[in-house]
Amino acid sequence: DTAVSQTPKYLVTQMGNDKSIKCEQNLGHDTMYWYKQDSKKFLKIMFSYNNKELIINETVPNRFSPKSPDKAHLNLHINSLELGDSAVYFCASSPGPGGAYNSPLHFGNGTRLTVT
Amino acid sequence: AQKVTQAQTEISVVEKEDVTLDCVYETRDTTYYLFWYKQPPSGELVFLIRRNSFDEQNEISGRYSWNFQKSTSSFNFTITASQVVDSAVYFCALSEAYSGGGADGLTFGKGTHLIIQP
Repeated sequence: DTAVSQTPKYLVTQMGNDKSIKCEQNLGHDTMYWYKQDSKKFLKIMFSYNNKELIINETVPNRFSPKSPDKAHLNLHINSLELGDSAVYFCASSPGPGGAYNSPLHFGNGTRLTVT
Repeated sequence: AQKVTQAQTEISVVEKEDVTLDCVYETRDTTYYLFWYKQPPSGELVFLIRRNSFDEQNEISGRYSWNFQKSTSSFNFTITASQVVDSAVYFCALSEAYSGGGADGLTFGKGTHLIIQP
């Protein structure tokens, strides 16, 4: 069983479109995250979501919005896609907040988003 | 603010050589956690190790070993007798126990691309 699963694996779309990436974890974790990995492989946190509390990295444009229908899911919606949004997006989970000290973050396999 | 520096952008060695990947971190917290992740060409992020700030014991796992030194704020990773399958990007990461605001999670270094040549 995959611990953290993301869909789709690849997403190609045109500028201006709205798209979503889905993430599910079956670990019973309380905290979920979205990370962005740019073309230089740099990984940076975008959001963390714990018990209905959303913490946003201040550098993330408001075109990006996470939505959590329940504790096991944290989807990423992106409006008005731009060329610079092209990247690999990783979902992750951990048992609790506080900097993932309880356990290493479990990562999904990533979604490669290409905006043309 | 926390920061992780991996000064080596790319390292290339011949198979069976030993190689050390450097990681230097900055944090104001006394309680924090250090991680290493491997990202093979297939793209997934694979957890390798976690170490908390109160445990300075070095760790060995097969051909992998880690040297944690608080005095120099370093958490270096050594692969002994490297193999082609070790070729990947390796990330060092830091997590503070109390983020003090802002998004929680890991702060990653920029990664070291390790190339093992046959």
